[in-house]
Amino acid sequence: GAGVSQSPRYKVAKRGQDVALRCDPISGHVSLFWYQQALGQGPEFLTYFQNEAQLDKSGLPSDRFFAERPEGSVSTLKIQRTQQEDSAVYLCASSLAAGTGLNEQFFGPGTRLTVL
Amino acid sequence: AQTVTQSQPEMSVQEAETVTLSCTYDTSESDYYLFWYKQPPSRQMILVIRQEAYKQQNATENRFSVNFQKAAKSFSLKISDSQLGDAAMYFCAYRSAYNNDMRFGAGTRLTVKP
Repeated sequence: GAGVSQSPRYKVAKRGQDVALRCDPISGHVSLFWYQQALGQGPEFLTYFQNEAQLDKSGLPSDRFFAERPEGSVSTLKIQRTQQEDSAVYLCASSLAAGTGLNEQFFGPGTRLTVL
Repeated sequence: AQTVTQSQPEMSVQEAETVTLSCTYDTSESDYYLFWYKQPPSRQMILVIRQEAYKQQNATENRFSVNFQKAAKSFSLKISDSQLGDAAMYFCAYRSAYNNDMRFGAGTRLTVKP
């Protein structure tokens, strides 16, 4: 398919483990976003990439969260030493154009992370 | 910081009827964009409709339309001729024209009764 894909779809981690969540954006999309969606809440912005450059990481909740997009396509969100409060659905979205504006963001299905 | 408020956690509508979902936001900016996203159960979030703040004309997309009241900072979504497939969580979102941070409301769960 041509949509945004994420893997794994479900991840269970023991507290203290490191996890890596992958996002494959739509081919050719310049912008890539990560969001965290807690149960019963709306998504909350984590970070934004324009190509390989991470231009905004203001939403990352702690230094345990790290994101990269080394070649300007696939992105990985890494969470170190996971805590129970990290349990959430992590959404990835991409958009064709760079910068701000009315650009539509296309969302992936998300990765549901459960930290025990 | 900008906030988005959806005051209706749940709404229901009879099939073929019309329903309006409420959204208000708080901002000091003059240039921004507003969106309604639909998130069906266990499915991906999709864009329903979007509005540029500098446009006075309300956006419409087939059965979906908005009532944008800039002074009141209100952005409601009207769904006409509701269909069973409209059942989903609906999120209102605000995006500044000056950064990439999109703010979402807590969502409204819409049920469509046959």
